[in-house]
Amino acid sequence: IAGITQAPTSQILAAGRRMTLRCTQDMRHNAMYWYRQDLGLGLRLIHYSNTAGTTGKGEVPDGYSVSRANTDDFPLTLASAVPSQTSVYFCASSDHSSGGSDTQYFGPGTRLTVL
Amino acid sequence: GQNIDQPTEMTATEGAIVQINCTYQTSGFNGLFWYQQHAGEAPTFLSYNVLDGLEEKGRFSSFLSRSKGYSYLLLKELQMKDSASYLCAAMDSNYQLIWGAGTKLIIKP
Repeated sequence: IAGITQAPTSQILAAGRRMTLRCTQDMRHNAMYWYRQDLGLGLRLIHYSNTAGTTGKGEVPDGYSVSRANTDDFPLTLASAVPSQTSVYFCASSDHSSGGSDTQYFGPGTRLTVL
Repeated sequence: GQNIDQPTEMTATEGAIVQINCTYQTSGFNGLFWYQQHAGEAPTFLSYNVLDGLEEKGRFSSFLSRSKGYSYLLLKELQMKDSASYLCAAMDSNYQLIWGAGTKLIIKP
């Protein structure tokens, strides 16, 4: 693979169910991000990780959790999905190091519908 | 607070030139990014400015004025494939991107 992959591409989920969105990158970027994108709003940061083993909260973290066990993977978990979490979810990564460009590169997205 | 403003929608003609403006207010500043996003797809990187001035990259150019908190993306020789949303994002002091809602550009033949 080259770049960032996300799975699943789309999912319909019943409210109250647990769901994990997967994200994997092969660019050896140290920083990774999860955003949600809703119509009429800009991308909103959910959680981020500047390096393996560390994570941080973004603008809209409630209802979501992440882990960063290694450089390549950054899964996003919805513990108990609610309809307001219906959105398109994008994972991104960047080289956040001295001399790095900090340019974020995006995965193809996961379209999640919570009923 | 932190804020990015850009027009919601613009219309232009194939072969013409269009300028998409963006104003920003952030806590600290580490650069201004422009991304292109076609409907149903992921954002893709177009340009990055951290110093004042114009950066040219083929048909696309991006300008930054740090003192005015202002940037624009200039698209020349418009093609139908340029129909997309254009996202402006400013990087704050924590190296987090603050995103505008995007400008939907409609190209007419």
